Formats: sequence, structure tokens, C-alpha cells
Amino acid sequence: GDSVTQMEGPVTLSEEAFLTINCTYTATGYPSLFWYVQYPGEGLQLLLKATKADDKGSNKGFEATYRKETTSFHLEKGSVQVSDSAVYFCALRSNYQLIWGAGTKLIIKP
Amino acid sequence: GAGVSQSPSNKVTEKGKDVELRCDPISGHTALYWYRQRLGQGLEFLIYFQGNSAPDKSGLPSDRFSAERTGESVSTLTIQRTQQEDSAVYLCASTPQGGRYTGELFFGEGSRLTVL
Repeated sequence: GDSVTQMEGPVTLSEEAFLTINCTYTATGYPSLFWYVQYPGEGLQLLLKATKADDKGSNKGFEATYRKETTSFHLEKGSVQVSDSAVYFCALRSNYQLIWGAGTKLIIKP
Repeated sequence: GAGVSQSPSNKVTEKGKDVELRCDPISGHTALYWYRQRLGQGLEFLIYFQGNSAPDKSGLPSDRFSAERTGESVSTLTIQRTQQEDSAVYLCASTPQGGRYTGELFFGEGSRLTVL
């Protein structure tokens, strides 16, 4: 069945560092891909998405490119801030369902 | 409020007791999902409601779990005879009719259940 694998956390970085959180998937066909973020004390919210190969989703300085050849959707940000500390979830759409990765906790130190 | 509301936010119960969790979706959202999130794990699908259609119950882990939703309003998730392995955060999400195919779900903050 469809599945999503993302790097284990926590990931700890200093402010202004470059961020990569890896996400790979297994699926039939070419599903839409998503990154959701859960800030402390808040519900999950959609961060960005891509619906087809080579699409780049972007929001709040974060980017992720849908790579069909490597079945990946890695999340990147050039310069992280303390306010980016959160748990990040990679997901793919399978019909009306979302299949989720385990989440990666990101800690940014000032 | 404008968002998805869940209650209680925290629930501690004794093994064997029944619990009821409530989700108030965003007004006008026809689709509603329940998920379970165990510590350090991804979201585990439990049940899906779409309007007045028959719900997709394929994710319910046992017959101790049940959920109801009347029309496009509030949903309740009931866990009977709770077990320690039921301890988790239970998340509710809603989306407009088209949203279930775009993948944009709107989540509540969750109900944290602890079974002693």
C-alpha cells in the first residue's frame, strides 16, 4: 500500500541555518504531496503542496519539489527562525485519504 | 470561533471506562475525519464522514470504537471499555466537499486521552 517515510527527529538547528527534512513516498501513480506543520499548542495546518511531478510548493520561505524519479518531496528553508520550531508532517493523497509520515520535530535555537 | 473545535482537550480515565470525544467542524464543511496519533507516530485514520453518505469506518481498530455525525454538524467518537493502548491524541479534521480531493484538511487541536 501507499506509504510515506520521513526523517526522524528531533532536528536541532541554530537560527539562520539551512534546513532540509527528507520525505520519500511509495505510491501507485503520481499522488499529490503535502507538508503540514503543527506549531506548539495549535492544530495541524497545511504548509505547502504539489500536485504533479516537478511542481514546487512554497510558503513562508519553505519549499519542496515533487521529484518523481526519486519519489521524494524534501522540505527546505534557507534560513530558519526560532518561530519555525514545530512538528512537520509529510503526506500524500490517496483518493480522499491522506497517508501520513511519522512527523519530524524541528527545534531552532537562538 | 471559525476553526475546528474539539473537546475535551485532555481526558484522563481509568481502564475499562467509556469516553466520548467531540468535534465541532467548520460550518459548511461536509467532510469530517477522525485520526489517532500515538506518541512519535504519524496520523492513523479512523473514520471518514461525507455529508449524508455512509461513513468509511475502515480505520476503526476494534468494535470498541464508534463514531457518529448527524448531517454536517458535530461528530462524537466513543471508545468503550478503554484500554491503555488507546492512550493517544485524537484529531478531528474537516474540509469542504472539494477539499477531500485537494488534500487540504483543517484540524482541531486534538483531544489527548490518557488511560490509566
